[in-house]
Amino acid sequence: EADIYQTPRYLVIGTGKKITLECSQTMGHDKMYWYQQDPGMELHLIHYSYGVNSTEKGDLSSESTVSRIRTEHFPLTLESARPSHTSQYLCASSVQGTGEKLFFGSGTQLSVL
Amino acid sequence: SQQGEEDPQALSIQEGENATMNCSYKTSINNLQWYRQNSGRGLVHLILIRSNEREKHSGRLRVTLDTSKKSSSLLITASRAADTASYFCATDDTGGFKTIFGAGTRLFVKA
Repeated sequence: EADIYQTPRYLVIGTGKKITLECSQTMGHDKMYWYQQDPGMELHLIHYSYGVNSTEKGDLSSESTVSRIRTEHFPLTLESARPSHTSQYLCASSVQGTGEKLFFGSGTQLSVL
Repeated sequence: SQQGEEDPQALSIQEGENATMNCSYKTSINNLQWYRQNSGRGLVHLILIRSNEREKHSGRLRVTLDTSKKSSSLLITASRAADTASYFCATDDTGGFKTIFGAGTRLFVKA
């Protein structure tokens, strides 16, 4: 069982609101990731981090930002949510290394009205 | 850019039958992984096969890797209704810094 947690599980908000999606892991993993996934579609990497104070943009351009102040915490923020941000957001972590196994949270389903 | 592509996109079988899913990728890899996702949930790691391995087993799962063809297959034997899910292959990019997922195969197992 993966020790990685995402909150909230579901979020419905209005356009223009600022939101933060939380992700925490208790496994001491250095690498963390945010993926965006539309229903039935592939996962797109939007942000990742190698460790504290490290953040990188992924392959899919995203208006969101992330921070990594503590090893266990990797929150994602949208300053002004829009309907186009409606999607599922999945957080994951792994140990350092090449192509290591990822542990995923249960995801946050975001709906922007 | 998408590294792995699964085939077929969807597969419907009867309980007890075997299910085979294929994955093709574009560039050299260090490892290839298979994950499972139940509807609306996160992904769960199933199996990892390294580039110097050709076949790996885990319970009812059998994974093969052909690096010359840049392809992999996942076989689920004696399928159960509980195996209904989406299955994704994932590869590391050439630098090994990121894990890239394909579009997945949606498997339906009818009881």
